[in-house]
Amino acid sequence: GAVVSQHPSWVICKSGTSVKIECRSLDFQATTMFWYRQFPKQSLMLMATSNEGSKATYEQGVEKDKFLINHASLTLSTLTVTSAHPEDSSFYICSARDTVGRYEQYFGPGTRLTVT
Amino acid sequence: KNQVEQSPQSLIILEGKNCTLQCNYTVSPFSNLRWYKQDTGRGPVSLTIMTFSENTKSNGRYTATLDADTKQSSLHITASQLSDSASYICVVSAGSNDYKLSFGAGTTVTVRA
Repeated sequence: GAVVSQHPSWVICKSGTSVKIECRSLDFQATTMFWYRQFPKQSLMLMATSNEGSKATYEQGVEKDKFLINHASLTLSTLTVTSAHPEDSSFYICSARDTVGRYEQYFGPGTRLTVT
Repeated sequence: KNQVEQSPQSLIILEGKNCTLQCNYTVSPFSNLRWYKQDTGRGPVSLTIMTFSENTKSNGRYTATLDADTKQSSLHITASQLSDSASYICVVSAGSNDYKLSFGAGTTVTVRA
Protein backbone atom coordinates (compact mmCIF):
# COMPACT_ATOMS: atom_id res chain seq x y z
CA GLY A 1 0.00 0.00 0.00
CA ALA A 2 0.89 3.66 -0.27
CA VAL A 3 3.27 4.75 2.46
CA VAL A 4 4.21 8.25 3.53
CA SER A 5 7.09 8.79 5.92
CA GLN A 6 8.13 11.79 7.96
CA HIS A 7 11.46 12.65 9.49
CA PRO A 8 12.12 13.30 12.25
CA SER A 9 9.28 11.78 14.26
CA TRP A 10 9.97 14.22 17.04
CA VAL A 11 12.28 17.17 17.57
CA ILE A 12 13.07 19.57 20.38
CA CYS A 13 14.65 22.89 19.50
CA LYS A 14 15.46 26.16 21.18
CA SER A 15 13.49 29.30 20.53
CA GLY A 16 14.87 31.25 17.57
CA THR A 17 16.29 28.29 15.70
CA SER A 18 14.93 26.70 12.52
CA VAL A 19 13.71 23.16 12.09
CA LYS A 20 13.25 21.19 8.88
CA ILE A 21 10.71 18.37 8.58
CA GLU A 22 10.78 15.97 5.64
CA CYS A 23 7.82 14.22 4.07
CA ARG A 24 8.39 11.39 1.60
CA SER A 25 6.08 9.23 -0.47
CA LEU A 26 7.85 5.89 -0.44
CA ASP A 27 6.13 3.85 -3.13
CA PHE A 28 4.24 6.32 -5.27
CA GLN A 29 4.69 9.68 -6.92
CA ALA A 30 2.89 12.63 -5.43
CA THR A 31 2.66 15.83 -7.40
CA THR A 32 0.76 17.34 -4.50
CA MET A 33 1.57 17.15 -0.82
CA PHE A 34 -0.18 18.83 2.07
CA TRP A 35 1.03 20.09 5.43
CA TYR A 36 -1.23 20.07 8.46
CA ARG A 37 -0.85 21.18 12.05
CA GLN A 38 -2.69 19.58 14.93
CA PHE A 39 -2.93 20.93 18.46
CA PRO A 40 -3.84 18.65 21.38
CA LYS A 41 -7.42 17.38 21.28
CA GLN A 42 -8.09 19.29 18.07
CA SER A 43 -8.45 18.15 14.52
CA LEU A 44 -6.01 18.68 11.68
CA MET A 45 -5.72 22.15 10.22
CA LEU A 46 -4.42 22.56 6.68
CA MET A 47 -1.44 24.90 6.55
CA ALA A 48 -0.40 24.74 2.93
CA THR A 49 -0.59 22.78 -0.30
CA SER A 50 2.70 21.91 -1.91
CA ASN A 51 2.96 21.25 -5.64
CA GLU A 52 6.07 19.75 -7.15
CA GLY A 53 8.12 22.33 -8.98
CA SER A 54 6.04 25.34 -7.99
CA LYS A 55 5.39 27.59 -5.04
CA ALA A 56 3.25 26.35 -2.19
CA THR A 57 -0.24 27.69 -1.59
CA TYR A 58 -0.75 28.80 2.00
CA GLU A 59 -4.01 28.88 3.90
CA GLN A 60 -5.26 32.13 5.30
CA GLY A 61 -3.45 33.09 8.48
CA VAL A 62 -0.37 30.93 7.81
CA GLU A 63 2.83 32.94 7.43
CA LYS A 64 4.67 31.80 4.33
CA ASP A 65 7.94 33.36 5.47
CA LYS A 66 7.78 31.45 8.72
CA PHE A 67 6.76 28.10 7.32
CA LEU A 68 8.92 27.53 4.26
CA ILE A 69 7.82 24.69 2.00
CA ASN A 70 9.87 23.12 -0.74
CA HIS A 71 8.63 20.36 -3.02
CA ALA A 72 11.66 19.64 -5.14
CA SER A 73 10.75 16.15 -6.34
CA LEU A 74 7.73 13.92 -6.84
CA THR A 75 8.50 12.07 -3.61
CA LEU A 76 9.81 14.72 -1.23
CA SER A 77 8.42 17.86 0.38
CA THR A 78 10.03 19.74 3.24
CA LEU A 79 8.60 22.12 5.82
CA THR A 80 11.01 24.46 7.55
CA VAL A 81 9.82 26.28 10.64
CA THR A 82 12.00 29.38 10.78
CA SER A 83 12.80 31.27 13.98
CA ALA A 84 10.68 28.87 15.97
CA HIS A 85 8.85 30.03 19.08
CA PRO A 86 7.13 28.02 21.82
CA GLU A 87 3.73 28.72 20.23
CA ASP A 88 4.93 26.78 17.17
CA SER A 89 5.07 23.64 19.28
CA SER A 90 2.61 21.28 17.69
CA PHE A 91 2.11 18.02 15.82
CA TYR A 92 2.87 18.49 12.13
CA ILE A 93 1.42 15.98 9.68
CA CYS A 94 1.96 15.76 5.96
CA SER A 95 -0.10 13.93 3.40
CA ALA A 96 0.58 13.01 -0.19
CA ARG A 97 -1.97 12.76 -2.92
CA ASP A 98 -1.82 9.75 -5.18
CA THR A 99 -2.29 11.00 -8.71
CA VAL A 100 -3.21 7.55 -10.00
CA GLY A 101 -6.59 6.05 -9.31
CA ARG A 102 -8.91 7.63 -6.81
CA TYR A 103 -6.84 10.61 -5.68
CA GLU A 104 -6.64 9.30 -2.18
CA GLN A 105 -4.59 11.23 0.36
CA TYR A 106 -2.17 9.23 2.45
CA PHE A 107 -1.00 10.68 5.74
CA GLY A 108 2.42 10.51 7.27
CA PRO A 109 2.97 9.46 10.89
CA GLY A 110 3.50 13.04 12.03
CA THR A 111 6.32 15.03 13.63
CA ARG A 112 6.10 16.30 17.18
CA LEU A 113 7.83 19.69 17.45
CA THR A 114 8.61 21.13 20.86
CA VAL A 115 10.18 24.58 21.06
CA THR A 116 11.75 25.46 24.39
CA LYS B 1 -18.84 27.54 5.26
CA ASN B 2 -18.11 23.83 4.96
CA GLN B 3 -18.46 22.14 8.32
CA VAL B 4 -18.20 18.65 9.71
CA GLU B 5 -19.58 17.87 13.15
CA GLN B 6 -19.00 14.64 15.03
CA SER B 7 -20.67 13.15 18.04
CA PRO B 8 -20.11 12.09 20.68
CA GLN B 9 -16.90 13.92 21.50
CA SER B 10 -15.70 10.86 23.39
CA LEU B 11 -16.98 7.54 24.59
CA ILE B 12 -15.86 4.60 26.70
CA ILE B 13 -16.93 1.07 25.89
CA LEU B 14 -16.11 -2.39 27.21
CA GLU B 15 -14.09 -4.77 25.11
CA GLY B 16 -16.30 -6.86 22.88
CA LYS B 17 -19.13 -4.34 22.74
CA ASN B 18 -20.31 -2.42 19.69
CA CYS B 19 -20.48 1.35 19.24
CA THR B 20 -21.62 3.86 16.64
CA LEU B 21 -20.10 7.23 15.89
CA GLN B 22 -21.99 10.00 14.11
CA CYS B 23 -20.96 12.60 11.56
CA ASN B 24 -23.06 15.44 10.13
CA TYR B 25 -21.75 17.68 7.39
CA THR B 26 -22.68 20.75 5.41
CA VAL B 27 -19.94 20.47 2.79
CA SER B 28 -21.13 21.34 -0.70
CA PRO B 29 -20.80 20.23 -3.39
CA PHE B 30 -20.14 16.83 -1.95
CA SER B 31 -17.46 14.59 -3.42
CA ASN B 32 -16.70 11.89 -0.89
CA LEU B 33 -16.66 11.12 2.82
CA ARG B 34 -13.84 9.36 4.61
CA TRP B 35 -13.39 7.92 8.06
CA TYR B 36 -9.90 7.87 9.52
CA LYS B 37 -8.49 6.26 12.65
CA GLN B 38 -5.80 8.23 14.43
CA ASP B 39 -3.82 6.64 17.22
CA THR B 40 -2.29 9.01 19.76
CA GLY B 41 0.84 10.61 18.36
CA ARG B 42 0.36 9.10 14.92
CA GLY B 43 -1.00 10.23 11.59
CA PRO B 44 -4.52 9.32 10.43
CA VAL B 45 -5.08 5.99 8.71
CA SER B 46 -7.92 5.59 6.24
CA LEU B 47 -10.71 3.19 7.19
CA THR B 48 -13.32 3.84 4.50
CA ILE B 49 -14.06 6.24 1.68
CA MET B 50 -17.54 6.64 0.19
CA THR B 51 -18.81 8.58 -2.78
CA PHE B 52 -22.27 10.01 -3.28
CA SER B 53 -23.72 6.77 -4.64
CA GLU B 54 -22.46 4.50 -1.87
CA ASN B 55 -24.63 3.85 1.19
CA THR B 56 -22.38 1.55 3.14
CA LYS B 57 -18.83 0.30 3.15
CA SER B 58 -17.07 -2.12 5.43
CA ASN B 59 -13.48 -2.62 6.43
CA GLY B 60 -13.23 -5.58 8.77
CA ARG B 61 -15.06 -4.73 11.98
CA TYR B 62 -15.64 -1.15 10.81
CA THR B 63 -18.79 -0.34 8.83
CA ALA B 64 -19.53 3.14 7.57
CA THR B 65 -22.89 4.35 6.29
CA LEU B 66 -23.73 7.43 4.29
CA ASP B 67 -27.03 9.22 3.76
CA ALA B 68 -26.27 11.92 1.22
CA ASP B 69 -29.82 13.29 1.42
CA THR B 70 -29.63 14.08 5.12
CA LYS B 71 -25.86 14.63 4.97
CA GLN B 72 -25.17 12.16 7.73
CA SER B 73 -22.70 9.35 8.14
CA SER B 74 -22.01 6.83 10.85
CA LEU B 75 -19.15 4.53 11.72
CA HIS B 76 -20.05 1.31 13.49
CA ILE B 77 -17.39 -0.65 15.34
CA THR B 78 -18.29 -4.28 15.98
CA ALA B 79 -16.87 -6.44 18.75
CA SER B 80 -14.49 -3.75 19.91
CA GLN B 81 -10.92 -4.56 20.81
CA LEU B 82 -8.43 -2.72 23.00
CA SER B 83 -6.56 -1.69 19.86
CA ASP B 84 -9.64 0.21 18.69
CA SER B 85 -8.86 2.88 21.28
CA ALA B 86 -8.12 5.92 19.13
CA SER B 87 -9.60 9.08 17.69
CA TYR B 88 -11.94 8.57 14.73
CA ILE B 89 -12.13 11.45 12.32
CA CYS B 90 -14.82 12.10 9.73
CA VAL B 91 -13.47 13.95 6.68
CA VAL B 92 -15.54 15.30 3.82
CA SER B 93 -14.20 16.35 0.45
CA ALA B 94 -15.80 19.09 -1.59
CA GLY B 95 -16.56 18.24 -5.19
CA SER B 96 -15.21 21.44 -6.60
CA ASN B 97 -11.78 20.87 -5.12
CA ASP B 98 -11.33 17.27 -4.18
CA TYR B 99 -8.12 17.78 -2.30
CA LYS B 100 -9.65 20.35 0.05
CA LEU B 101 -10.72 18.25 2.99
CA SER B 102 -13.00 19.38 5.79
CA PHE B 103 -12.15 17.64 9.06
CA GLY B 104 -14.40 16.84 11.96
CA ALA B 105 -13.03 17.29 15.46
CA GLY B 106 -13.01 13.54 15.97
CA THR B 107 -14.51 11.13 18.47
CA THR B 108 -12.14 9.67 21.03
CA VAL B 109 -12.97 6.03 21.68
CA THR B 110 -11.56 4.26 24.72
CA VAL B 111 -12.01 0.51 24.92
CA ARG B 112 -11.59 -1.00 28.37
CA ALA B 113 -11.01 -4.62 29.29
